[in-house]
Amino acid sequence: NAGVTQTPKFRVLKTGQSMTLLCAQDMNHEYMYWYRQDPGMGLRLIHYSVGEGTTAKGEVPDGYNVSRLKKQNFLLGLESAAPSQTSVYFCASSYGDGAYNEQFFGPGTRLTVL
Amino acid sequence: GQQVMQIPQYQHVQEGEDFTTYCNSSTTLSNIQWYKQRPGGHPVFLIQLVKSGEVKKQKRLTFQFGEAKKNSSLHITATQTTDVGTYFCAVLSYNTDKLIFGTGTRLQVFP
Repeated sequence: NAGVTQTPKFRVLKTGQSMTLLCAQDMNHEYMYWYRQDPGMGLRLIHYSVGEGTTAKGEVPDGYNVSRLKKQNFLLGLESAAPSQTSVYFCASSYGDGAYNEQFFGPGTRLTVL
Repeated sequence: GQQVMQIPQYQHVQEGEDFTTYCNSSTTLSNIQWYKQRPGGHPVFLIQLVKSGEVKKQKRLTFQFGEAKKNSSLHITATQTTDVGTYFCAVLSYNTDKLIFGTGTRLQVFP
């Protein structure tokens, strides 16, 4: 089992460009999450999904959109990237609600917006 | 608003010394989770505590949940270089009903 995978691993964007980060999990988990991690700030929840076809906002959703068309995939989109979105992005999944169950994290995507 | 404070921010220890990190909340918690992130790596789940006063052990790691369920600690006995990393606590947010993570304690172990 690959667990949780993320593509790409690294990306550099110019301000205003768009991109999509892909997260895939092969554990048949219902719940999936997108976090961003900035120095000294821990992880902050951007959006999450409790099942195929559903999405919801987390702590810091502005500037991001998500989609969960297939149970195993969770996409994070940046429509018009800004330097403030320079960060490391982690995807995670859990069998039950991650607030009460172990979350499995992907290896992360390091994004730089110039 | 809800606050989750972790102290200390950084800790440097000599290999073999003990280490403790604390997680303090402004509100009573239903549960708390602990994660470890190695340098350049991703967070990895360590444990979840649910009951008041609960103590759980994993080899050299001891996790404790406070009696009032407002704080928790992670203690490592006789640190090793493999313990290097950042330790995060995570608690339930009353705004989103999802986890919020503390700012973490970065542990450096010198051989």
